[in-house]
Amino acid sequence: GAGVSQTPSNKVTEKGKYVELRCDPISGHTALYWYRQSLGQGPEFLIYFQGTGAADDSGLPNDRFFAVRPEGSVSTLKIQRTERGDSAVYLCASSLNGFETQYFGPGTRLLVL
Amino acid sequence: AQSVTQLDSHVSVSEGTPVLLRCNYSSSYSPSLFWYVQHPNKGLQLLLKYTSAATLVKGINGFEAEFKKSETSFHLTKPSAHMSDAAEYFCVVSGPNNNDMRFGAGTRLTVKP
Repeated sequence: GAGVSQTPSNKVTEKGKYVELRCDPISGHTALYWYRQSLGQGPEFLIYFQGTGAADDSGLPNDRFFAVRPEGSVSTLKIQRTERGDSAVYLCASSLNGFETQYFGPGTRLLVL
Repeated sequence: AQSVTQLDSHVSVSEGTPVLLRCNYSSSYSPSLFWYVQHPNKGLQLLLKYTSAATLVKGINGFEAEFKKSETSFHLTKPSAHMSDAAEYFCVVSGPNNNDMRFGAGTRLTVKP
């Protein structure tokens, strides 16, 4: 079946702009996660959704970052007033119910100029 | 809180020789441990996971890992490297509900012909 998909695969923006990154989880998976992977590092947790609600957003670095999952399926990660330090690969993962294995998407590579 | 340390940032082996990727963990409770592999431009793929059952865990593509509580280690091994094994490998620790996954910095495996 289809895995986790993320769009766009690459995004180039200018400092100060607003961006949206989209994640389509595996159908039927209630849990969805966002991670950020900077160059040469492992993924860092940002936020976890169980259904429509954010069960844990402790990894969001500041209030410029926000994520939604209004219908409990697709999620959008929103970054306001982007900074060069936001440049990274943003990964999305989903799991069946939050207790099972996480399956990752290919990521969105964000470059802030 | 939990964390992992991957002891080597880069490992190089010849095709057909054994692979050893080292990982030490720290956790204040019984951890779940995972190894993920990341090929260029591909999503993270689960190799294997330990969740307090058998201490020797077998995964895909001939990889296995042994949980050693006394050494707080979870090293990844493979008897014979293949060219297709060249990738980035991440050791991951999580708490009881698998929602708070902490990734290591990664080990880049190079396989020479």
